[in-house]
Amino acid sequence: SQQGEEDPQALSIQEGENATMNCSYKTSINNLQWYRQNSGRGLVHLILIRSNEREKHSGRLRVTLDTSKKSSSLLITASRAADTASYFCATSWMDSSYKLIFGSGTRLLVRP
Amino acid sequence: DAEITQSPRHKITETGRQVTLACHQTWNHNNMFWYRQDLGHGLRLIHYSYGVQDTNKGEVSDGYSVSRSNTEDLPLTLESAASSQTSVYFCASSPGPTDYNEQFFGPGTRLTVL
Repeated sequence: SQQGEEDPQALSIQEGENATMNCSYKTSINNLQWYRQNSGRGLVHLILIRSNEREKHSGRLRVTLDTSKKSSSLLITASRAADTASYFCATSWMDSSYKLIFGSGTRLLVRP
Repeated sequence: DAEITQSPRHKITETGRQVTLACHQTWNHNNMFWYRQDLGHGLRLIHYSYGVQDTNKGEVSDGYSVSRSNTEDLPLTLESAASSQTSVYFCASSPGPTDYNEQFFGPGTRLTVL
């Protein structure tokens, strides 16, 4: 079964608003990563947060990790139409650090 | 520039035929992975390799095989294609050994089995 599950499955917001996506996982992890997939394209890595980190920023992206709740959130601030894509979390297990287990993703639509 | 490519980008085949999907990366990464992506399932790991002559089964390996004869290539073979294998297939690679295991993805191959 999949390690990570995203919530919500779909999200529609207005340009300029913030978008928050959540990811829950089941077992202890080495790190958690977020990827973006534009329609018809491959996935692109956005950000990685290690199990001993609680928050990480990259440009308009903010990722938090709560290992006690086995959950992470991805915040995209001041969204743009170009942020329209699917977003996936992926977890790296403690005993298998090169493999990633992907969630089913959140489809984000940013309306102009 | 270093990259990861997949071919063909689109393939239509018939049930029972053998199909091979190619994946080639020029980053000299040790780790390579094959996933399939279906609506509602995200990406599911088919096979992976941590180096030449190393191959491992993933979550959904039945009906698929891989071989790793060099660092750059990890071809995925469907021994006898089935309609249930209609999907989009992604190849990915990552450097190793390291605990920063970001994966780099190819553009995908859309396979239809009739």
